[in-house]
Amino acid sequence: DAMVIQNPRYQVTQFGKPVTLSCSQTLNHNVMYWYQQKSSQAPKLLFHYYDKDFNNEADTPDNFQSRRPNTSFCFLDIRSPGLGDAAMYLCATSRATKRTGESGYTFGSGTRLTVV
Amino acid sequence: GESVGLHLPTLSVQEGDNSIINCAYSNSASDYFIWYKQESGKGPQFIIDIRSNMDKRQGQRVTVLLNKTVKHLSLQIAATQPGDSAVYFCAEIHNQGGKLIFGQGTELSVKP
Repeated sequence: DAMVIQNPRYQVTQFGKPVTLSCSQTLNHNVMYWYQQKSSQAPKLLFHYYDKDFNNEADTPDNFQSRRPNTSFCFLDIRSPGLGDAAMYLCATSRATKRTGESGYTFGSGTRLTVV
Repeated sequence: GESVGLHLPTLSVQEGDNSIINCAYSNSASDYFIWYKQESGKGPQFIIDIRSNMDKRQGQRVTVLLNKTVKHLSLQIAATQPGDSAVYFCAEIHNQGGKLIFGQGTELSVKP
């Protein structure tokens, strides 16, 4: 089945130690998103790639970076994780064209990040 | 660890009753709306969507109503079942940039 896969499901990292979360998709969607979701809160958009174009949200800290080496993969890099970065990180994809707009939003199961 | 989260609004219903979950959206220019169901430890799961040129759309046991005048969206679940217990989020697409932005969730609890 076509899907969005996030690895690992659970990640423990040390305070200040760089960590990378990964997302892959078999949907061939051209847009990929990273969301941060803290306990009892709505997912908050960090940034997204529209094809190869990177779009950062204005309030996303510089500590968060992303890479998209090809259509299928997207990575979230946290350069120096703090305790406040502990959260669920969700990857999503969508298919977008200028003519039809966006559709097919699909989420992965998320990676729960713990910072110790 | 994580910072303390906000308390989600909670809706508690009896099994078999109908549920109505409401959402106020922020951007009058949004033209596409989605309801998601999120179970504990899982990613959001698509339930139903609606475009701004419609005011009602029905799925299996679910109906979404859109009132653009007051920027209000609702999700109706018929004959609510214990498996419907989850957090429900509305989300809107800002048509400038196509970003999916989530509203505050509602926790639905179904009593057997």
